Amino acid sequence: EDQVTQSPEALRLQEGESSSLNCSYTVSGLRGLFWYRQDPGKGPEFLFTLYSAGEEKEKERLKATLTKKESFLHITAPKPEDSATYLCAVQARSGYALNFGKGTSLLVTP
Amino acid sequence: DTAVSQTPKYLVTQMGNDKSIKCEQNLGHDTMYWYKQDSKKFLKIMFSYNNKELIINETVPNRFSPKSPDKAHLNLHINSLELGDSAVYFCASSQDGASTDTQYFGPGTRLTVL
Repeated sequence: EDQVTQSPEALRLQEGESSSLNCSYTVSGLRGLFWYRQDPGKGPEFLFTLYSAGEEKEKERLKATLTKKESFLHITAPKPEDSATYLCAVQARSGYALNFGKGTSLLVTP
Repeated sequence: DTAVSQTPKYLVTQMGNDKSIKCEQNLGHDTMYWYKQDSKKFLKIMFSYNNKELIINETVPNRFSPKSPDKAHLNLHINSLELGDSAVYFCASSQDGASTDTQYFGPGTRLTVL
C-alpha cells in the first residue's frame, strides 16, 4: 500500500532562518510527487510536481527535490507569509488519486 | 473567475438528515475528485469521475453518492448523516487524470453533523 510520511509535524522558524521539510514515500511505481500549500480555511494550492529521482524545481523561496525514497522542500530565508501547512502527495502509475501525507505546519515569526 | 468552486462553504445539520454539496469547475477539465479532510487534517480520496464516468470509488459508505450531470460538475450527496461524517470536503479537478496532471482544489465545504 502506498504510504507518505511527512516530518516534522510542526516547525517554527524565525524570519530568514532556512530549513527543510521531509516527505518519505513508498509507492508501487511513482507517477509523480506533488507539493501543495494549504492556508487555514482554504483548499490546497499547487506548488510543484516532481517526476523522477534527481529532479529539482524552484519557486521564489521554495525548492523541491526528489530521490527514490523521499522529497525535500527547502525554504530559504522564509518570511511570515510562508506560514502554512505544506502537503506532500504521491500518485502511483496505476491510479489517478493523490495519496497525501499529514502535512507539516510551518510558522514563520518576524 | 474562480477555477473550482463549491457550495455551500459551511453546512451544519442534524444526524440522520440528507444533504448535498455542489462542485463546479470552469477549467475545461475532464476529471473531477472528492476528497475528505478529517479533524487531523488528513486528506483522503473518496471518488473520481472522468467525463461523467466513475473511475475511483474508495472504501466509502454507500450513504455517499457522487453525481456528475456534466463534466464541469460533480456533486456529493450524503444520506443519513452521522457524527463521523463531520469533516471538510474538497472538490478537485485535473485535465484528464490519465497522466501526471495537476489537481486543482476548491475552497472546501466544512460539514458539521450535530
